[in-house]
Amino acid sequence: ETGVTQTPRHLVMGMTNKKSLKCEQHLGHNAMYWYKQSAKKPLELMFVYSLEERVENNSVPSRFSPECPNSSHLFLHLHTLQPEDSALYLCASSQLPGQSYGYTFGSGTRLTVV
Amino acid sequence: DAKTTQPTSMDCAEGRAANLPCNHSTISGNEYVYWYRQIHSQGPQYIIHGLKNNETNEMASLIITEDRKSSTLILPHATLRDTAVYYCIVRFTGGSQGNLIFGKGTKLSVKP
Repeated sequence: ETGVTQTPRHLVMGMTNKKSLKCEQHLGHNAMYWYKQSAKKPLELMFVYSLEERVENNSVPSRFSPECPNSSHLFLHLHTLQPEDSALYLCASSQLPGQSYGYTFGSGTRLTVV
Repeated sequence: DAKTTQPTSMDCAEGRAANLPCNHSTISGNEYVYWYRQIHSQGPQYIIHGLKNNETNEMASLIITEDRKSSTLILPHATLRDTAVYYCIVRFTGGSQGNLIFGKGTKLSVKP
C-alpha cells in the first residue's frame, strides 16, 4: 500500500454504461491527479486538482468527468466511453503542484470498455 | 514532449550495480531531475530526485554531471524485484509547469 488507494482494481463496462473510479489518500496531500496509461504508451496526465480546485485539464474528452469533493478524495466519472478508452487509470497525490516533493501513485484501475 | 532521452532497454545481472543513464541537455537552472519506476501493471514509484548535487537514499543514488546535462541512476545491488520501467523526468517546480510528465523510460531487466 502506498497511501493512495484506488477502487475498483478492475472494471469492465459497456459503451453505454456510467461508472466511477475512486481514489482516496490520507497522506495530508493537497493536490491530486488522474493519469491514463494505454498499452505501450507513456502515462498521460489528464487532470490536476489543487486544494480541491481543478487547475488543469489536458484536452480530455467530456466523457471523462473528474470530481474532487475534498482533499482526500478524487473521482473520475465515466459515461459513453469508447473501446480505445480501455487503459490503466492511475491516481496520484502530492503536497502541492509545482513543489519539489514527489508524487505518490495508487495501484490503478484497469478499465476495459466493451 | 518529455525533455529527456533514455535507452529503451537494459539488462543487468542480479547482485550487480545497475547504472541507468539519462540525457537532459536542455535542462534549465530551476528544473529538478526525478526518477520513478513502474513495476508491471502497478503505479509508478518515486525513487529519488536532485537539482545539482549527487543524492543517495535507501533505494538508489543519483549522479548528476556538473553541467547538469545528464544523470545516472544507480541501483547498487540489483535484485529480480528491480525489474521495471525506469523514468527519468525533468521537472520545473513552480506553478502548473511543475506537473510530472512521463516519457517512455528504460525497461530494466534484472537476470539471475
